[in-house]
Amino acid sequence: NAGVTQTPKFRVLKTGQSMTLLCAQDMNHEYMYWYRQDPGMGLRLIHYSVGEGTTAKGEVPDGYNVSRLKKQNFLLGLESAAPSQTSVYFCASSYRLSGSLSGEQFFGPGTRLTVL
Amino acid sequence: DQQVKQNSPSLSVQEGRISILNCDYTNSMFDYFLWYKKYPAEGPTFLISISSIKDKNEDGRFTVFLNKSAKHLSLHIVPSQPGDSAVYFCVRTSYGKLTFGQGTILTVHP
Repeated sequence: NAGVTQTPKFRVLKTGQSMTLLCAQDMNHEYMYWYRQDPGMGLRLIHYSVGEGTTAKGEVPDGYNVSRLKKQNFLLGLESAAPSQTSVYFCASSYRLSGSLSGEQFFGPGTRLTVL
Repeated sequence: DQQVKQNSPSLSVQEGRISILNCDYTNSMFDYFLWYKKYPAEGPTFLISISSIKDKNEDGRFTVFLNKSAKHLSLHIVPSQPGDSAVYFCVRTSYGKLTFGQGTILTVHP
């Protein structure tokens, strides 16, 4: 049981390049999330998904796109990378919320992205 | 705008003593509050939670207190251990969406 895994662990891009970050979970969770963490700040939600084939915007969605074609995978895309997107990106997943307000999420180890 | 603020960027404690991490929040509705712990180069991991209808929740060495009138949350770790050294995030959750505080770096000295 690997939990939540992220690929790649590190990446350096030049301004204007594109890339896709892959998140995979083997816990059969319905909900998946992408966050970014900048120095001295907490994690901020970029996009999230409440099930296969669905996505929604979070707090800081601009410059990113996502797709959830399979329940176990959640992809985060940068179409034209900018230095402001230099950050550590975390993927997370959680059980389907059916009336419960508890929000424990399981996080991957992160991807450190640098945009030059 | 639902905010969570951790005003102390860092805290240093001697092994065996109590660590108290603090958090303030605004505009609370019926939310859960969580504490997450994060080691370097790892993702955050869930530590303990409390419902906004409770005042206290305890799990082993970790206790979270909620003061609703003051809109203040605190995490107590007793006794503190060197392995507790990490970044602690105060988090509120509403229908599965998390809002993180800035984090407090806890260092426990042997």
